[in-house]
Amino acid sequence: AQKVTQAQTEISVVEKEDVTLDCVYETRDTTYYLFWYKQPPSGELVFLIRRNSFDEQNEISGRYSWNFQKSTSSFNFTITASQVVDSAVYFCALRYNYGQNFVFGPGTRLSVLP
Amino acid sequence: SQTIHQWPATLVQPVGSPLSLECTVEGTSNPNLYWYRQAAGRGLQLLFYSVGIGQISSEVPQNLSASRPQDRQFILSSKKLLLSDSGFYLCAWSVRRGLARDEQFFGPGTRLTVL
Repeated sequence: AQKVTQAQTEISVVEKEDVTLDCVYETRDTTYYLFWYKQPPSGELVFLIRRNSFDEQNEISGRYSWNFQKSTSSFNFTITASQVVDSAVYFCALRYNYGQNFVFGPGTRLSVLP
Repeated sequence: SQTIHQWPATLVQPVGSPLSLECTVEGTSNPNLYWYRQAAGRGLQLLFYSVGIGQISSEVPQNLSASRPQDRQFILSSKKLLLSDSGFYLCAWSVRRGLARDEQFFGPGTRLTVL
C-alpha cells in the first residue's frame, strides 16, 4: 500500500529560524515520484518540488532545500531563515509509476511568528 | 499559460439540497482532471479523476458524482447534500501523458458548508 506520513501536525517558529518538515513514505514500487506542495491561507495548493525515486541528490532552491533518503524512506523539507510568508500548510505527496493518484500526507501547518 | 478556475468560491447549503461545483481549465488541451476534498484540518482525499470526456473514475464511494461534459470542464454534483460533505473542494489538472512525474496544478478551491 502507498502511504505518506507527516508526523508533525503543527510547527511554530520565530522568523529567521530554520525549520525542517518531515515526510516518510511507504511504497512497494521501485519507480515513484515525491512532491511537496504549499497551501497558503488562500487555499490554493502551490507545487514546490518533484523528485523521482532514482535521484537521491539533495536539492536547494533559495531558502528551500530537500533531503531525499531512500534508505529511510524520507523526503524532508527545510526552510532556512524562515519568513512570515512561509506560514502555510505543507503537503508531501507520493505518486507511483503509471498511477493516476497522488497519495497526500496529512500536512504540516507551519506558523512563522514575527 | 494555463489557468484553472473554480466557482463558486464559497457556498453555504442546507442538508438535503443539491450541489453543483464547476471547474474549468484554460490554456491546455486533453488534461487529466481531478476533484479532491479537504476536510477541516485534514489532508486531501481524491474523489474523482478523469482522463477524457465522459470518462470518470471514482475513488471513494459517497453521495457525490462527477461529470466531464467538455474537454476542459469538470463538474462535481450531489443530489442531496449531507453534513459530512462540508469541506474545501479542490480541482486539479495535469498533462495527459500518464506519467507519474507530472505534477498536478490546483485551482483556488470552493469552501462548502452544509448546515
